[in-house]
Amino acid sequence: GAVVSQHPSRVICKSGTSVKIECRSLDFQATTMFWYRQFPKQSLMLMATSNEGSKATYEQGVEKDKFLINHASLTLSTLTVTSAHPEDSSFYICSAPGYGNSPLHFGNGTRLTVT
Amino acid sequence: ELKVEQNPLFLSMQEGKNYTIYCNYSTTSDRLYWYRQDPGKSLESLFVLLSNGAVKQEGRLMASLDTKARLSTLHITAAVHDLSATYFCAVAQYTGTASKLTFGTGTRLQVTL
Repeated sequence: GAVVSQHPSRVICKSGTSVKIECRSLDFQATTMFWYRQFPKQSLMLMATSNEGSKATYEQGVEKDKFLINHASLTLSTLTVTSAHPEDSSFYICSAPGYGNSPLHFGNGTRLTVT
Repeated sequence: ELKVEQNPLFLSMQEGKNYTIYCNYSTTSDRLYWYRQDPGKSLESLFVLLSNGAVKQEGRLMASLDTKARLSTLHITAAVHDLSATYFCAVAQYTGTASKLTFGTGTRLQVTL
């Protein structure tokens, strides 16, 4: 079964509003989670690393004031897209590290459409 | 900055044929992953390659890693339509608390009858 749960799977919002996406690790604790963004027919680009109990680490070119990340517990990280614009429309995927050398566990992704 | 490139970007092949997807990366890493993505879906883990010379096989797919050449390959044997998807390689970098992945450009595979 899924080890990382991501909600919602799909959201449509109006330009200027904010949207929150949740990523939960199931049956394990994740002190670190990763947030990726994928535009149509492109690869996944890492946006930020979410750290439990401390500030997120953002990749170059990602606006930290626009993409707010909160990792308040060992099983939950949230990404809030603030003042969304149509160019923020994308597929957002969270992931959590597995144990040892196992691959990352990925959420099912959130399709965000900003109208 | 780590760069991960795949080729080809798009591959159309007939059922029953063999082909190889290549993944080149620019800096040293000791772990490489292969993922499959179906349209509109998230990623499915295929292989984890941990050391130079590692080879793993699952069904019609076989992955290998050459850390000296910074090259990984994903070989498809006797392709079937169900293998149609986009395939990504990803290279791991340890951040101090966890390993983050840098993904390749992706290879969209279309298997035709």
